[in-house]
Amino acid sequence: DTGVSQDPRHKITKRGQNVTFRCDPISEHNRLYWYRQTLGQGPEFLTYFQNEAQLEKSRLLSDRFSAERPKGSFSTLEIQRTEQGDSAMYLCASSFRGGGSNEQFFGPGTRLTVL
Amino acid sequence: DAKTTQPNSMESNEEEPVHLPCNHSTISGTDYIHWYRQLPSQGPEYVIHGLTSNVNNRMASLAIAEDRKSSTLILHRATLRDAAVYYCIPANSGNTGKLIFGQGTTLQVKP
Repeated sequence: DTGVSQDPRHKITKRGQNVTFRCDPISEHNRLYWYRQTLGQGPEFLTYFQNEAQLEKSRLLSDRFSAERPKGSFSTLEIQRTEQGDSAMYLCASSFRGGGSNEQFFGPGTRLTVL
Repeated sequence: DAKTTQPNSMESNEEEPVHLPCNHSTISGTDYIHWYRQLPSQGPEYVIHGLTSNVNNRMASLAIAEDRKSSTLILHRATLRDAAVYYCIPANSGNTGKLIFGQGTTLQVKP
């Protein structure tokens, strides 16, 4: 297993368009997280899955954002009617619940630019 | 969520030890203290974690104050590849395990 992968790595879109990002976690990991990071800031938590269940969503996540994790494997994050303020790096992380640390492994991120 | 305070930036010379402090005075009794770092143009990566006792791994050491209100990440011999933003994050893996990142400390390593 080569770690967490994300696709695409870069996405440029026009305001108002819909975009979808994919995250493939480490195969045995049952937890999956989405974060967003803007320039000069630390990552912000968006949402969390345990297996296929979405158990928490940040208040930062507007109705235009939706995430899924069918069958508890890969996950998708969709942004509808993109706005310029959505421009950011979108990071995915996975972990295995068990033990004390819940060490999260991050992917390389998808950089979104909304024109 | 526990609030953390870290210096905005620190400098170190290559091959010298670096001590990165973090204040987390509102940490709850069940939170582990995690440290992650983010190299330029990469996602964050796990460095080390601990609950009460000092911890060592191949990357770093973590010294935790007896009252758990502060901790220090120790890089024993800084290299140029250690230049990154270092985040101190109290988190409870028994709940969601989500990480709440602060601003972190930007570490510069000079040759």
